[in-house]
Amino acid sequence: QIQLVQSGPELKKPGESVKISCKASGYTFTDYAMHWVKQAPGKGLKWMGWINTYTGKPTYADDFKGRFVFSLEASASTANLQISNLKNEDTATYFCARSGGAYWGQGTLVTVSS
Amino acid sequence: DVVMTQTPPSLSVAIGQSVSISCKSSQSLVASDKNTYLNWLLQSPGRSPKRLIYQVSKLDSGVPDRFSGSGSEKDFTLKISRVEAEDLGVYYCLQGTHLLTFGSGTKLEIK
Repeated sequence: QIQLVQSGPELKKPGESVKISCKASGYTFTDYAMHWVKQAPGKGLKWMGWINTYTGKPTYADDFKGRFVFSLEASASTANLQISNLKNEDTATYFCARSGGAYWGQGTLVTVSS
Repeated sequence: DVVMTQTPPSLSVAIGQSVSISCKSSQSLVASDKNTYLNWLLQSPGRSPKRLIYQVSKLDSGVPDRFSGSGSEKDFTLKISRVEAEDLGVYYCLQGTHLLTFGSGTKLEIK
């Protein structure tokens, strides 16, 4: 069956970096783009952008240009989200979702606190 | 950028009642391939979002037919007939015609 399994929760200090992984299984990884979605505590869903899993080309939503990097380990069917220079407002659960929206990872909670 | 205006922000309903949620887009969601990429998702408490409906009115596998989607162009509705306890959570519309944009969510509570 199709699954997206994300890496575990992270506790970071402001200014540090974090890398979240999303491992796909049950389908051909390069056939579907991967999207990233942010959900701050108690808030709604916000689209961060997507990565073409065939070419590796990322596209970032306006609010996520600069400190956010989408990457792939295609041989491992894994998409990654790296956030640098973390700020308190980056505290959120981050989801990966396969293009089309039918499959989502379980979410990764990133907490940024001094 | 496309803005999705979703109403109401919350609903409190009794088991067995029917409810409707509206989602209005700032632009037409009809794509160049003539499809309309408007989805409805449910995020149950503590869970990842789950897609219920895609392309306005197509039910995902396993979704009860109490759920139905309708609409066109810029105006869309999710209807839940005979609400059950398991339906509680936050409902989001999601457009996929012009990149992706989520609605602000509708929290469904059971009286």
